[in-house]
Amino acid sequence: EVQLVESGGALVQPGGSLRLSCSASGFTVSTYTMHWVRQAPGKGLEYVSAISSSGGGTYFADTVRGRSTISRDNSKNTVYLQMSSLRAEDTAVYYCAKGPCGGDNCYLDVWGEGTTVTVSS
Amino acid sequence: DIQMTQSPSSLSASVGDRVTITCRASQAISTYLAWYQQKPGKVPNLLIYAASTLQSGVPSRFSGSGSGTDFTLTISNLQPEDVATYYCQMYNGAPRTFGPGTKVDIK
Repeated sequence: EVQLVESGGALVQPGGSLRLSCSASGFTVSTYTMHWVRQAPGKGLEYVSAISSSGGGTYFADTVRGRSTISRDNSKNTVYLQMSSLRAEDTAVYYCAKGPCGGDNCYLDVWGEGTTVTVSS
Repeated sequence: DIQMTQSPSSLSASVGDRVTITCRASQAISTYLAWYQQKPGKVPNLLIYAASTLQSGVPSRFSGSGSGTDFTLTISNLQPEDVATYYCQMYNGAPRTFGPGTKVDIK
């Protein structure tokens, strides 16, 4: 069964850092583009970041660009989103999702349950 | 960046009604358009991709149409379990922007 499990969410102070993990099973993360989407409390979905199957193509939303990196450990079949200089507006549930292809033109066919990041003092 | 809009932002309909949600892209995106359903407190779920292709396991009362800039999601026979927020998403390159969502309730 194809499954994604996120972890790493926590309560952090403004200015702090976090590394979110997305552990995959049932498929190989290096074969597909992998995505992060977040949802602030009571708000809609915001597309945050992606890493292509080759690992050479990455994307970051303007709201996190310069404060975030996305990476992949093929040996652990896991994708990571490292976020720093966290702000209150980064408070959200962070979902990891998989696309059915390895390039740019992919929708999101499998989602994890999400991990919660709360930025507050 | 391409912007996505949806209308209405919310609607209330009766069981058995036909419901239509519209999604508009600020630039043409061919048929690189997906629809997701997010039930309250749950994870988003893919309903439709390529504007009109039903994801496996999705009930046939859901359908999608459109190309270019204008798209629609139709629920032909609204059921109580369809109470959810529906999002469109373009995936014609990055960023794969989501629409703001349409909340569907039962009268």
